[in-house]
Amino acid sequence: GESVGLHLPTLSVQEGDNSIINCAYSNSASDYFIWYKQESGKGPQFIIDIRSNMDKRQGQRVTVLLNKTVKHLSLQIAATQPGDSAVYFCAESILTGGGNKLTFGTGTQLKVEL
Amino acid sequence: DVKVTQSSRYLVKRTGEKVFLECVQDMDHENMFWYRQDPGLGLRLIYFSYDVKMKEKGDIPEGYSVSREKKERFSLILESASTNQTSMYLCASSTHTRGYTFGSGTRLTVV
Repeated sequence: GESVGLHLPTLSVQEGDNSIINCAYSNSASDYFIWYKQESGKGPQFIIDIRSNMDKRQGQRVTVLLNKTVKHLSLQIAATQPGDSAVYFCAESILTGGGNKLTFGTGTQLKVEL
Repeated sequence: DVKVTQSSRYLVKRTGEKVFLECVQDMDHENMFWYRQDPGLGLRLIYFSYDVKMKEKGDIPEGYSVSREKKERFSLILESASTNQTSMYLCASSTHTRGYTFGSGTRLTVV
């Protein structure tokens, strides 16, 4: 089946710097993408999503970029804070045709150094 | 605040026991999902449901069953628990057009 992968398992950044977490997806039919944050001992928390008719979407301190040509997704976190330390997952889905079944990547651990 | 509630945070069960994991959502979502999460393996889909009384197998359904008698409740059943089912279990719900909302998870240990 199709899978979603991440380039780096662990990313360390200094507090205040910008973080970029990358994700490669393999299903060219995917039309919906999401980033989740999971803190230790908790369930994944929705951060931001983007549909395939867009290439950029911004939230509060976060930006998701989608490059459909190379099937690449990235999450940018501005002015990274200690509270951003967590595992980040990307996920993809095909919304057309009904249903919504996400395929998740294995995650990237973000560590914020003081 | 919308929620997905899993009935237990931690469970310890014996091999061979029948185990019920309950999940309730208050968002009137059509879709509900059960995942297990293991180190290095990420989130793996066990079962999902797009409507009441409807269920479909995910990627790893063996050893599990589910029940969805009401829209807000989706139960995961381990018919005869085994040690390889020790894991973190995550329930999620969604509409057809947006991302999932996850519960806090149930960490199940089978001894």
